[in-house]
Amino acid sequence: GDSVTQMEGPVTLSEEAFLTINCTYTATGYPSLFWYVQYPGEGLQLLLKATKADDKGSNKGFEATYRKETTSFHLEKGSVQVSDSAVYFCALSSGSWGKFQFGAGTQVVVTP
Amino acid sequence: DVKVTQSSRYLVKRTGEKVFLECVQDMDHENMFWYRQDPGLGLRLIYFSYDVKMKEKGDIPEGYSVSREKKERFSLILESASTNQTSMYLCASSLSGTDTQYFGPGTRLTVL
Repeated sequence: GDSVTQMEGPVTLSEEAFLTINCTYTATGYPSLFWYVQYPGEGLQLLLKATKADDKGSNKGFEATYRKETTSFHLEKGSVQVSDSAVYFCALSSGSWGKFQFGAGTQVVVTP
Repeated sequence: DVKVTQSSRYLVKRTGEKVFLECVQDMDHENMFWYRQDPGLGLRLIYFSYDVKMKEKGDIPEGYSVSREKKERFSLILESASTNQTSMYLCASSLSGTDTQYFGPGTRLTVL
């Protein structure tokens, strides 16, 4: 079945460092891909998405490109802030009725 | 903006009690979902609904039931709460198909 694998955390960075979180997927068909962010004690918020191969999603300085040839959707940000400390989830949607498969989540800790 | 609300942020119940968690969305979405989130296990789908009075089991439906009498409201029911149902419960909705899921803030349920 469909699945998402993302790198384990926690990832600890200093402010202004470059962030990459790897995400790879297995899916039949042509999934849509998503990154969600979860701040402490809150629900998940959509960060960005891409619906077809070679699409680039971007938001708040974060970017991810849908790579069909490598089945990947890695999240990147050039200069992180302390406020980016959160858990990040990669997800795909390909089945009927909009069911998602989520990765396990990657905790990111940014220190001043 | 899409808004998904959940009836409680925090809830404490006793073993054996019947528990109702309610979720309301204001964007006329067709699909609604209930997840539970546990450390190290990520998000797991309990039930989902693609139309009023329609429901489908997710990955971990045991011990839960759901109700969707109106399009905007999706309730999760724990018939007889147990300590292993202590968790964060997240509700989500989406318009259709593989579209973005929008999440509520979550209910942290503790069963004593």
